[in-house]
Amino acid sequence: GAGVSQSPSNKVTEKGKDVELRCDPISGHTALYWYRQSLGQGLEFLIYFQGNSAPDKSGLPSDRFSAERTGGSVSTLTIQRTQQEDSAVYLCASSLGPGQSSYEQYFGPGTRLTVT
Amino acid sequence: GENVEQHPSTLSVQEGDSAVIKCTYSDSASNYFPWYKQELGKGPQLIIDIRSNVGEKKDQRIAVTLNKTAKHFSLHITETQPEDSAVYFCAANDYNQGGKLIFGQGTELSVKP
Repeated sequence: GAGVSQSPSNKVTEKGKDVELRCDPISGHTALYWYRQSLGQGLEFLIYFQGNSAPDKSGLPSDRFSAERTGGSVSTLTIQRTQQEDSAVYLCASSLGPGQSSYEQYFGPGTRLTVT
Repeated sequence: GENVEQHPSTLSVQEGDSAVIKCTYSDSASNYFPWYKQELGKGPQLIIDIRSNVGEKKDQRIAVTLNKTAKHFSLHITETQPEDSAVYFCAANDYNQGGKLIFGQGTELSVKP
């Protein structure tokens, strides 16, 4: 079946502009996670959704970052007034969710964001 | 919160040899430990995982071992092939925080033909 998809695959933006990154999780997965991967680094947690609610936003680095999820499916990560340090690969993952006896998270291909 | 350390950061082996990557974690509440393989320009791919009620798990050429007492787990790849070359990440779940994963820093594995 279809995996996690993300768009765009690449985004180049000028410093100070806003960007929106989109994630389509695997159908039926109620849990959705955003991570960030800086060049040559490990993955850093940003935010977790269960359904449309975000019980854990602890990884968002500043108030310029926000995310929403609608219909228990698609999620959008928005970065306002982008800075050069925001350049990274933004990865989305989904899982069946709590109570489903499944911890497995499946990742999308990521969006490579470059802020010039 | 959980902290995961991974080593080595780079590993080079000859085709056919075995490769071992090790990770330690800090939070004894963690109960799920996945391993991901990431090829250049792609998202991480789940290759094997283990839960805290199991000490070892195998899937063909790959195996993972878990020592809960020592809080460490390892990935073993036998009969390595050039297509095994990639970056491998270990992770542990943050049990009290919705199951988010805390990742190690990654190991770049190079298998020389």
